[in-house]
Amino acid sequence: SQKIEQNSEALNIQEGKTATLTCNYTNYSPAYLQWYRQDPGRGPVFLLLIRENEKEKRKERLKVTFDTTLKQSLFHITASQPADSATYLCASEGQAGTALIFGKGTTLSVSS
Amino acid sequence: EAGVAQSPRYKIIEKRQSVAFWCNPISGHATLYWYQQILGQGPKLLIQFQNNGVVDDSQLPKDRFSAERLKGVDSTLKIQPAKLEDSAVYLCASSLARRNTEAFFGQGTRLTVV
Repeated sequence: SQKIEQNSEALNIQEGKTATLTCNYTNYSPAYLQWYRQDPGRGPVFLLLIRENEKEKRKERLKVTFDTTLKQSLFHITASQPADSATYLCASEGQAGTALIFGKGTTLSVSS
Repeated sequence: EAGVAQSPRYKIIEKRQSVAFWCNPISGHATLYWYQQILGQGPKLLIQFQNNGVVDDSQLPKDRFSAERLKGVDSTLKIQPAKLEDSAVYLCASSLARRNTEAFFGQGTRLTVV
């Protein structure tokens, strides 16, 4: 069955460093991937969408890549700040265009 | 623009009782989703509506869960009877289209079944 996995449950880094989060998918080929941020007690908030024909997408300090050969997306936050501390979720549509399926998320902690 | 509204924010019920959650999506959004999020996990789709029709309810436990979207706008999700394992956050989301577009989430309803 189709799976979307975020292997790291938690990532701890120091302020100013680059955080890199990984998302892998198996048994299907999504047309796009999305990344969301979720703070405690809140619903997820959309950050970026990258399509299968796009290698890379940027938004301010955020960068997402999509490697269809490795079946992987990487999410980077450069010059990280304590305010970036949150859980980051990777999502894609399921096979045959079904609704978004989510990974478990990676909780990022940025210390000052 | 107003976001996705959900109520109540919190609910505590005893097992075997029933409960209902309400969602008002962003105006003009044809697609509406209900997700269940258990602590420490990502959101799991329960049901997806396109206007007032069901697109996907394959993971909805239909023996106890039901959902409707009257007139293609507001939606309600009901659990009857509730089980302890239904304790979770129930998230409503909406989007302009079914595919290739971002989803906007409400704050969720935290359900505790005791």
